[in-house]
Amino acid sequence: AAGVIQSPRHLIKEKRETATLKCYPIPRHDTVYWYQQGPGQDPQFLISFYEKMQSDKGSIPDRFSAQQFSDYHSELNMSSLELGDSALYFCASSHLGLAVTDTQYFGPGTRLTVL
Amino acid sequence: GESVGLHLPTLSVQEGDNSIINCAYSNSASDYFIWYKQESGKGPQFIIDIRSNMDKRQGQRVTVLLNKTVKHLSLQIAATQPGDSAVYFCAEKGENSGYALNFGKGTSLLVTP
Repeated sequence: AAGVIQSPRHLIKEKRETATLKCYPIPRHDTVYWYQQGPGQDPQFLISFYEKMQSDKGSIPDRFSAQQFSDYHSELNMSSLELGDSALYFCASSHLGLAVTDTQYFGPGTRLTVL
Repeated sequence: GESVGLHLPTLSVQEGDNSIINCAYSNSASDYFIWYKQESGKGPQFIIDIRSNMDKRQGQRVTVLLNKTVKHLSLQIAATQPGDSAVYFCAEKGENSGYALNFGKGTSLLVTP
């Protein structure tokens, strides 16, 4: 079965640079969630989109922005990168939109390293 | 704020034994609970879920128990195998807290032969 696709899988950036992470949800999934996972930490919710509109916002820094496009893929844009932004970034998608019991399926993640 | 957390950060079991991973939550409005397995360098993988109107749910070799009175959740893995070695996270969500997952601290399960 098709899974969530994320690109790139690995990314190395310098401080103050920008980065764009991409997420392609499972076909027919309408909701995308972004999570950040620091080393040895649990995933922390950043932001989500349902039907191309922002649906919820978590601990996303103002330096980050995201959007969901007409084909339902999503991009997380990160500017003025800081060392503390080094983490795994996961995208998850779900099918039933804003339903409590809707299962979120995670992609393999993008490992961002800021030097 | 509300939190979901795990009692034990690491758990070591012998192959073939049963494993029990515990989780406490504090949000009494949580409607839905999920267990995820995360192997090194990979994304969280859905294992099993349970709604707040249930006490127990069984899957293949896994059982989730929910005790709403003490706000406690557990994952039982029967006949633990080396492939079960991973970090396990409990997560919750509810209508009052949005639809994103609120993860607890992971428990690292190590299965020894």
